[in-house]
Amino acid sequence: QLVLTQSPSASASLGASVKLTCTLSSDHSDYPIAWHQLQPEKGPRYLMKFNSDGSHTKGDEIPNRFSGSTSGAERYLTISSLQSEDEGDYYCQTWGTGVMVFGGGTKLTVL
Amino acid sequence: EVHLLESGGGLVQPGGSLRLSCIASGFTFNNYAMTWVRQAPGKGLEWVAFITSSGGTSFADSVKGRFTISRDNFDNTLFLQMNRLRAEDTAIYYCAKDFYHSGSYPVDWGQGTLVTVSS
Repeated sequence: QLVLTQSPSASASLGASVKLTCTLSSDHSDYPIAWHQLQPEKGPRYLMKFNSDGSHTKGDEIPNRFSGSTSGAERYLTISSLQSEDEGDYYCQTWGTGVMVFGGGTKLTVL
Repeated sequence: EVHLLESGGGLVQPGGSLRLSCIASGFTFNNYAMTWVRQAPGKGLEWVAFITSSGGTSFADSVKGRFTISRDNFDNTLFLQMNRLRAEDTAIYYCAKDFYHSGSYPVDWGQGTLVTVSS
């Protein structure tokens, strides 16, 4: 079964960096994922698509502060120079034949 | 610029029906798959359904047999017909444009419409 696992919460100080983790189920470790941001009182925003080989495609106007990386079944989203508007929920998402799957989301608090 | 505007949400009793619409603009609508995603109160994002550019459909198990998804490529509109609604269908429903012609990952999102199922 295609499953994405995320830590429920993360926090970091203003101006610092944070690395969020998304883990694919073991049988799907080579799947690409997409990262989406959900800010309070706003709709979701697509951030980037990340492949298992490390290649990625960013959404329009996504700052360079947002970057991705990978290691095995884990996909990471790193946000550097944290700003207050980065606070919100971050979801990884993947897909298979006839199905889409979201991770449970990570709530990011900027201290 | 891509713009997606959902409408049709509201309060409905358990067992009732509701039809959501999403008007799309800023891109060639019939070239892309379209997706509905929802967020229940206090919960995360949950994929509901998608429809490919050619009209193929897929549904989450939680809504299969109760919801249908369709599109009108002449009016650039996506629909979600929701029947036999349950309290657990209460959520904000988002319309999204896919990157590909088949279901993969959303790259543009609407602001959402709230559906409340309650007696």
